[in-house]
Amino acid sequence: EVQLVESGGGLVKPGGSLRLSCAASGFTFIRYTMSWVRQAPGKGLEWVSSMSSSGSDIYYADSVKGRFSISRDNAKNSLFLQMNSLRAEDTALYYCAREGAVDNGMDVWGQGTTVTVSS
Amino acid sequence: DIQMTQSPSSLSASVGDRVTITCRARQSIGNFLHWYQQRPGKAPKLLIYAASSLQSGVPSRFSGSGSGTDFTLTIRSLQPEDFASYYCQQSRYIPYTFGQGTKLEIK
Repeated sequence: EVQLVESGGGLVKPGGSLRLSCAASGFTFIRYTMSWVRQAPGKGLEWVSSMSSSGSDIYYADSVKGRFSISRDNAKNSLFLQMNSLRAEDTALYYCAREGAVDNGMDVWGQGTTVTVSS
Repeated sequence: DIQMTQSPSSLSASVGDRVTITCRARQSIGNFLHWYQQRPGKAPKLLIYAASSLQSGVPSRFSGSGSGTDFTLTIRSLQPEDFASYYCQQSRYIPYTFGQGTKLEIK
């Protein structure tokens, strides 16, 4: 079964850090671009970051650039999001998603992990 | 950034109805447009990719059309499980951007 499972969310104070993980299974992880997408409570979807299959191409939303860092370990079929200098507006459910191809959309999503930034 | 504008923001309909949701891009994105369904408390699910291609496993009552700046998602003969939120997303340009969503409710 093709599956993505996120972990690492939690409650953190403003200015703090968290590292999210996404474990992939059921498909050849190394072949796919992977992304993080978040959803603030009661709000819509916001793309956060993407990393190409080889890791050579990395992109960030302006709202997280310089604070968040995406990485992957293809040997362990895992995607990561290191989040530093967290702000209240980073509070959201963070999804890991697989991108089939640039024109194929995000075809597999995890269940999400919740990040709450509050003092 | 490419702003994606969906309309309507909310929609009431009945089981069996045909509904259409539109998505407009501020500039041409070719066919790099995808549609997602999100049920309450669940992750988004890809319905349509590349504007008009039906994702595997998605019922054929869902269809998409359009290119350039104007796109539509049509649901023919609404079923109870279709009452959810729907989002469009462009992947032509970084940053990827989503529409604000359309909430489809039961009348």
